[in-house]
Amino acid sequence: AQTVTQSQPEMSVQEAETVTLSCTYDTSESDYYLFWYKQPPSRQMILVIRQEAYKQQNATENRFSVNFQKAAKSFSLKISDSQLGDAAMYFCALSGAGSYQLTFGKGTKLSVIP
Amino acid sequence: DAGVIQSPRHEVTEMGQEVTLRCKPISGHDYLFWYRQTMMRGLELLIYFNNNVPIDDSGMPEDRFSAKMPNASFSTLKIQPSEPRDSAVYFCASTQWGAGDTQYFGPGTRLTVL
Repeated sequence: AQTVTQSQPEMSVQEAETVTLSCTYDTSESDYYLFWYKQPPSRQMILVIRQEAYKQQNATENRFSVNFQKAAKSFSLKISDSQLGDAAMYFCALSGAGSYQLTFGKGTKLSVIP
Repeated sequence: DAGVIQSPRHEVTEMGQEVTLRCKPISGHDYLFWYRQTMMRGLELLIYFNNNVPIDDSGMPEDRFSAKMPNASFSTLKIQPSEPRDSAVYFCASTQWGAGDTQYFGPGTRLTVL
């Protein structure tokens, strides 16, 4: 069984500042993928960033980057230069490579203060 | 390219009625997933298909739920009879082999059972 834990139910950040969302996980798989999905009020699930566990290098996508600590089973998301459009629920998710079964955390609600 | 398409976007029905949710995956994707999202349980995988064949339906809550995929471009999730506790947002997602387990979600169907 695999688990994903997001310990911050809610967070807030000032516009243009940087915020980090935390995620820890547990899996018995040796190869797996980690994801951050964003769910704005429209409820559409949008892929933000993806990390392959066998890659040492942290993934980045424009203003979004991750800090992947494999030994600690930690996968945090950093949002730089926060924008009003970043306000949403953010979900951390995990799947064993080739299993195609995503396990989601409970989510972190991010508010952006103008 | 069009994303995953779901219909209807909203469904309100009365307890005991049959409900059918529909999904069209991204063209060329050979995996299709049905998820349910509730406040209490978060995002749960109900069932997934590979090449139109159900692979794992262990998340289907009970016999009132059934899912089919008659062809590569269409899937249904049926609830018969519906109950108030089935009220949730139902997502369909798809991916293709070799995409690194990245799933692309539809906009979801918000189901309310009165």
